[in-house]
Amino acid sequence: QVVLTQSPSTSASLGASVKLTCTLSSGHSSYGIAWLQQQPEKGPRYLMKVNSDGSHSKGDGIPDRFSGSSSGAERYLTISSLQSEDEADYYCQTFKVFGGGTKLTVL
Amino acid sequence: VQLVESGGGLVQPGGSLRLSCAASGFTFSSHWMSWVRQAPGKGLVWVANIKQDGSQKYYVDSVKGRFSISRDNAKNSLYLEMTSLRAEDTAVYFCAREERGSDFFDSWGQGVMVTVSS
Repeated sequence: QVVLTQSPSTSASLGASVKLTCTLSSGHSSYGIAWLQQQPEKGPRYLMKVNSDGSHSKGDGIPDRFSGSSSGAERYLTISSLQSEDEADYYCQTFKVFGGGTKLTVL
Repeated sequence: VQLVESGGGLVQPGGSLRLSCAASGFTFSSHWMSWVRQAPGKGLVWVANIKQDGSQKYYVDSVKGRFSISRDNAKNSLYLEMTSLRAEDTAVYFCAREERGSDFFDSWGQGVMVTVSS
């Protein structure tokens, strides 16, 4: 079964950019993944799906500040021009499996 | 798209509970649907899903034989019948829509809390 690995936490300053990483386990590097955002006390929100070739498709209403990319077994979510409301937990997901989530703190 | 869960609450170990999810804003009968849970302070865990016509159902091992997923397409509703509840079932339960043609969860409800405690 595929395993998705994420760093537990990261921080970045207001107005800066941050790149979050989701790593697919060995043998599964061709899989696409979805990125989800979960703000405090809310249900998750679908941000986008990212394919192995780096192409990505965003959900409805997701700002241009959010983008996705890939390299090998790694899938990335880049958030530019960080805003306070971007402070949240970010999860990657594929085949009914979730990564452990990355808590993003906006300083 | 809107998904609204209900039916959560406090239940004793060994008890039962039925969760509901009311769907609107899309063609409910065209999508696989799932339940996903999140224990307090923990990550997301897929629990069960059901095919568009209800003919296929799948469960995570930890709930097999205790939970049952169902749907009523005429009522645009998804259900999760939970029996023999354990303390480790305590979590927020989310209803989630699966994107057509993929297994990504592209719409989520706000969740409902289930607490199993004596």
